[in-house]
Amino acid sequence: NAGVTQTPKFQVLKTGQSMTLQCAQDMNHNSMYWYRQDPGMGLRLIYYSASEGTTDKGEVPNGYNVSRLNKREFSLRLESAAPSQTSVYFCASSELGTDEAFFGQGTRLTVV
Amino acid sequence: GEDVEQSLFLSVREGDSSVINCTYTDSSSTYLYWYKQEPGAGLQLLTYIFSNMDMKQDQRLTVLLNKKDKHLSLRIADTQTGDSAIYFCAESIGTGGYNKLIFGAGTRLAVHP
Repeated sequence: NAGVTQTPKFQVLKTGQSMTLQCAQDMNHNSMYWYRQDPGMGLRLIYYSASEGTTDKGEVPNGYNVSRLNKREFSLRLESAAPSQTSVYFCASSELGTDEAFFGQGTRLTVV
Repeated sequence: GEDVEQSLFLSVREGDSSVINCTYTDSSSTYLYWYKQEPGAGLQLLTYIFSNMDMKQDQRLTVLLNKKDKHLSLRIADTQTGDSAIYFCAESIGTGGYNKLIFGAGTRLAVHP
């Protein structure tokens, strides 16, 4: 089983460039999430999608947009990257009503 | 407020027990979790405890919950080099139809011979 797959694994962007991080899960989960992980700060929720067709802001949504393309896929877009968005980004999914989140391998993004 | 705190580093000798501590602030949390992150990987659920329990044991892992003090601990018996990882404590908070996970900063466990 692939579980949660994120692409790309690594990316370097220049300030002001845009990009989309892709995430897909094959577990038929309803809920999907995007987190960022920064040293000494744990994981912070950027956006989540409780079910197909809905998206909501998390703790740190500024500078990001998301699309829940279908039940499998949840993408995160940076319209104009800033150095403060240098981080490791994790996508996760869970079944609605449960907290057991399954995480992807992460995308290490550097904005210069 | 919502906050989960953990110490950032722990170093133990192989074969000893490791105890990782966590404090949380939201008394309405239904479940509390321990996740493990190995180098270059995402987080994996290690174990969890329901808020009305004091203790849960799962092979080498023991979770203790002191609800009065809002203190959670993870004990790993007979710690092995393969246990070297970052361990995240997380509490689950209901927010009207969605359970939000609040993570601590993570404790980096280093196991040395």
